[in-house]
Amino acid sequence: SQQGEEDPQALSIQEGENATMNCSYKTSINNLQWYRQNSGRGLVHLILIRSNEREKHSGRLRVTLDTSKKSSSLLITASRAADTASYFCATDPTGTASKLTFGTGTRLQVTL
Amino acid sequence: EADIYQTPRYLVIGTGKKITLECSQTMGHDKMYWYQQDPGMELHLIHYSYGVNSTEKGDLSSESTVSRIRTEHFPLTLESARPSHTSQYLCASSPSDLSTNEQFFGPGTRLTVL
Repeated sequence: SQQGEEDPQALSIQEGENATMNCSYKTSINNLQWYRQNSGRGLVHLILIRSNEREKHSGRLRVTLDTSKKSSSLLITASRAADTASYFCATDPTGTASKLTFGTGTRLQVTL
Repeated sequence: EADIYQTPRYLVIGTGKKITLECSQTMGHDKMYWYQQDPGMELHLIHYSYGVNSTEKGDLSSESTVSRIRTEHFPLTLESARPSHTSQYLCASSPSDLSTNEQFFGPGTRLTVL
């Protein structure tokens, strides 16, 4: 079954609010990555957190990783309409030789 | 923005036709990938390559085939397209010297088979 499950499946917030998305996975990982996909486009890498890290920041993004619970969260602070997109977590499982496994995605809608 | 290109961006074709989806990258990456994605759904890996003359099937069974004759080029071919092949196809690449397996994606090809 799919390695990464994300929730919520969809999220609608107003501009300026924070958006939190969660990702759960099943196996041991080397790292976990978050990607963004605008409608009908390819994915863009946002941020990576290694298995020995617990929290990482990049601009308005904050990622946490709890390997004991096999879960991660992505927080987007002070959201903007331009943040409207789908967000996917991707795990780099140990022993799978360069293959990422993507989650089911969260569709974020930021309204004015 | 990543230097990875896919053509065509959109393709509408009849059942039974042979099609080739092109993917090229100018970053010199050894590793390349093809994913299939239905609208609003997760990505499924269908093919990958670790370098020239290396191709492997992914986690999702696919009737398509791939080749890797040049580092920069990783085309995907469907010998006889069917409506069940209707989907978005995403190509990605990753450098071998990056231990994190961060992937760079092309814009995708949206395929519709009538």
